[in-house]
Amino acid sequence: DGGITQSPKYLFRKEGQNVTLSCEQNLNHDAMYWYRQDPGQGLRLIYYSQIVNDFQKGDIAEGYSVSREKKESFPLTVTSAQKNPTAFYLCASGVGAFFGQGTRLTVV
Amino acid sequence: AQSVSQHNHHVILSEAASLELGCNYSYGGTVNLFWYVQYPGQHLQLLLKYFSGDPLVKGIKGFEAEFIKSKFSFNLRKPSVQWSDTAEYFCAVNALSGGYNKLIFGAGTRLAVHP
Repeated sequence: DGGITQSPKYLFRKEGQNVTLSCEQNLNHDAMYWYRQDPGQGLRLIYYSQIVNDFQKGDIAEGYSVSREKKESFPLTVTSAQKNPTAFYLCASGVGAFFGQGTRLTVV
Repeated sequence: AQSVSQHNHHVILSEAASLELGCNYSYGGTVNLFWYVQYPGQHLQLLLKYFSGDPLVKGIKGFEAEFIKSKFSFNLRKPSVQWSDTAEYFCAVNALSGGYNKLIFGAGTRLAVHP
């Protein structure tokens, strides 16, 4: 089945630790995106990538980092510099965006 | 910078009422436009999209949207809502900028339909 896989579904981390969220797609899409969803704020763009080894900052990139070493993979690292990391994170790919199931990150 | 505005944050309707959700965007170049729906506890689903051609786009579940280029708008409509339409609706714009496809979303409209 073609689609986007995000893992894990739930993630807990201690404050001050970096954490990496996985996103894999087998749709052969060039474009991939990371969003953060918070109640009442919709989806805010963190990073996006059009091709391998290239990516652009979105509207709320501070405290996050990404890599795009392979077309099918676009992992997101939430660093200790992100002041409010607890959120629901969504990965998407393609023009018109196919979405993964999301990862709910809780930092305690 | 590109932005997407959804005018109504919360909408409450009775079943069989007509629905129109507003969406405006700010970007002067080529855009692709989308509406997504998120039912409680579920992930985002694509309702409809506009790339080119007929500005009146029909989507799933009886929804439609009209692209009005002069108004930078892409409003979502449904003639008669059902209780099962209770969900959050997101407008999104894919703007081609500097060779990149940048897909940005509005803040969402939460629709509650009462039987």
